[in-house]
Amino acid sequence: QKEVEQDPGPLSVPEGAIVSLNCTYSNSAFQYFMWYRQYSRKGPELLMYTYSSGNKEDGRFTAQVDKSSKYISLFIRDSQPSDSATYLCAMSAGWRGSTLGRLYFGRGTQLTVWP
Amino acid sequence: DTAVSQTPKYLVTQMGNDKSIKCEQNLGHDTMYWYKQDSKKFLKIMFSYNNKELIINETVPNRFSPKSPDKAHLNLHINSLELGDSAVYFCASSHQEGRLAGVREQYFGPGTRLTVT
Repeated sequence: QKEVEQDPGPLSVPEGAIVSLNCTYSNSAFQYFMWYRQYSRKGPELLMYTYSSGNKEDGRFTAQVDKSSKYISLFIRDSQPSDSATYLCAMSAGWRGSTLGRLYFGRGTQLTVWP
Repeated sequence: DTAVSQTPKYLVTQMGNDKSIKCEQNLGHDTMYWYKQDSKKFLKIMFSYNNKELIINETVPNRFSPKSPDKAHLNLHINSLELGDSAVYFCASSHQEGRLAGVREQYFGPGTRLTVT
């Protein structure tokens, strides 16, 4: 079983739709949760960063972490064609044991927002 | 004003050759990483260095050897290239400031697309 599971999609939505992306994980030691956005032929860029459980909002983006269910989500409101990209979740257990601060990534969900 | 830069951007080479990829960051970060992204977009850590000290050394073939001449640079040398080495290699950096700081966000370079024929 992979550490982090993410449906690769593809996901195609009309402009203005609410998009829901999610990841599940198996390691209960994870406490740092991130969402990265990767445009085609570019490097990933950090979108949201959450420590432990709860919600975090930044403009049209909301990240949710439910540690009891080992489930994280990213919501995009009023989606725009410029949001078309691959969204990668990433998580870490910090510096506990042998993890040494490494990030574990999901496979990414490819999102297309059409006008 | 590029934050994390990599050279070259594209690398096409034949099996058996030796090649290097260079990475530089001008963010003043103390930790640098190499990742491999396969054709299915799966991103996996290969190495990390903190203040020039090797921290993470994942199970990769010993044909891959990282070198960190200083905190701003992390190079990746690959010997005897194989077809399966074809992938996009990303360099990243973060400002870790020691383990008590938790896990800080990582900034990625644009990637080096390696094709082995």
